[in-house]
Amino acid sequence: DTGVSQNPRHKITKRGQNVTFRCDPISEHNRLYWYRQTLGQGPEFLTYFQNEAQLEKSRLLSDRFSAERPKGSFSTLEIQRTEQGDSAMYLCASSPRVNYEQYFGPGTRLTVT
Amino acid sequence: GNSVTQMEGPVTLSEEAFLTINCTYTATGYPSLFWYVQYPGEGLQLLLKATKADDKGSNKGFEATYRKETTSFHLEKGSVQVSDSAVYFCALPQRTGNQFYFGTGTSLTVIP
Repeated sequence: DTGVSQNPRHKITKRGQNVTFRCDPISEHNRLYWYRQTLGQGPEFLTYFQNEAQLEKSRLLSDRFSAERPKGSFSTLEIQRTEQGDSAMYLCASSPRVNYEQYFGPGTRLTVT
Repeated sequence: GNSVTQMEGPVTLSEEAFLTINCTYTATGYPSLFWYVQYPGEGLQLLLKATKADDKGSNKGFEATYRKETTSFHLEKGSVQVSDSAVYFCALPQRTGNQFYFGTGTSLTVIP
């Protein structure tokens, strides 16, 4: 399967804990994106990588959020000191070039209790 | 920045009915326009796209025409099926092309 994969698919955590999600993009795609989707809304942009460089971050990405893409392959999104408001679906997408369609993974659903 | 306004739902149709989901956009220039579909419990899948004005994107019986006169990209299907039940999102890239702006989504339920 050459699609975008994300792990875990579901994560339940207690408020205050740290969580980390992983995204494996389509192998030949150098662009990787993270989005957050809450119930009844469209995805909202969080951050973007071109290869290993993080080139754009949304103001939604507070200082509790950090993302990395070492070696320009897979990416991780970490949320520190989780809050209930962080409960959402976290979507990863990849693309081979700018303004091209983005290919999405199945998402990681985070529930903070 | 670039944005889309999407028809609110939910929409409920009987099988074989005609579907229209409205989407209008605000943009600098003429960016590509996209429709994505999200089935329950899944991520987003590209349904169709149009890369320039007057282009028509089509896939799986769905169509949308990029109309610059009305700044619209309405999604249509002549005869919906139960399997089309999903949430549909209109989207376009921001000026830098590095992020997409998605509409709020329109939930479609097709009943037999």
